[in-house]
Amino acid sequence: AQSVTQLDSQVPVFEEAPVELRCNYSSSVSVYLFWYVQYPNQGLQLLLKYLSGSTLVESINGFEAEFNKSQTSFHLRKPSVHISDTAEYFCAVSSSGGSQGNLIFGKGTKLSVKP
Amino acid sequence: EPEVTQTPSHQVTQMGQEVILRCVPISNHLYFYWYRQILGQKVEFLVSFYNNEISEKSEIFDDQFSVERPDGSNFTLKIRSTKLEDSAMYFCASRGQGHYNSPLHFGNGTRLTVT
Repeated sequence: AQSVTQLDSQVPVFEEAPVELRCNYSSSVSVYLFWYVQYPNQGLQLLLKYLSGSTLVESINGFEAEFNKSQTSFHLRKPSVHISDTAEYFCAVSSSGGSQGNLIFGKGTKLSVKP
Repeated sequence: EPEVTQTPSHQVTQMGQEVILRCVPISNHLYFYWYRQILGQKVEFLVSFYNNEISEKSEIFDDQFSVERPDGSNFTLKIRSTKLEDSAMYFCASRGQGHYNSPLHFGNGTRLTVT
């Protein structure tokens, strides 16, 4: 069975500081990894994904995540956060053998960026 | 940009009552999903739907739950006899054709409160 662990439920940071949101997964098969973001009062939006190829993936708003197979991790990082990055971030996994893209989510990490 | 819409945004019902949560997926999408998130817990997969039938369901999706695509545009989740523990945020999602790990597009959710 697959599972996703997000170790931090809340991460407060100051604006322009770097941030890392941790995600670890367990799976007995090859996986695809995703980060979704949920802004207040909105649905989940895809932030970035790892399917294959380069282990470092980037989003258009400066976030990046690195797939580390040996550590079974897919941590999300940003070198300098903005107030507008305040949101809840969900790590998710689906297996290459899974049916039709069903996702297993972590509990989420609430990122709070303070001025 | 097309989006998944869910109604109502908040539903309050009494224990034992039936509720129907409504979703309008993106019009050319073919795969439909329901997820739920109990307050403070993980986003959990409930059911996936393709070609007018359930393709996969989780242990949560018992006989009290059903899904329907009655008219080619709406995708509904029915809970026949609600329990207190059904209180959660329910997210609808849809996905188009192509690689089965193409992104899921989520709605803003319906918050169900069972009293």
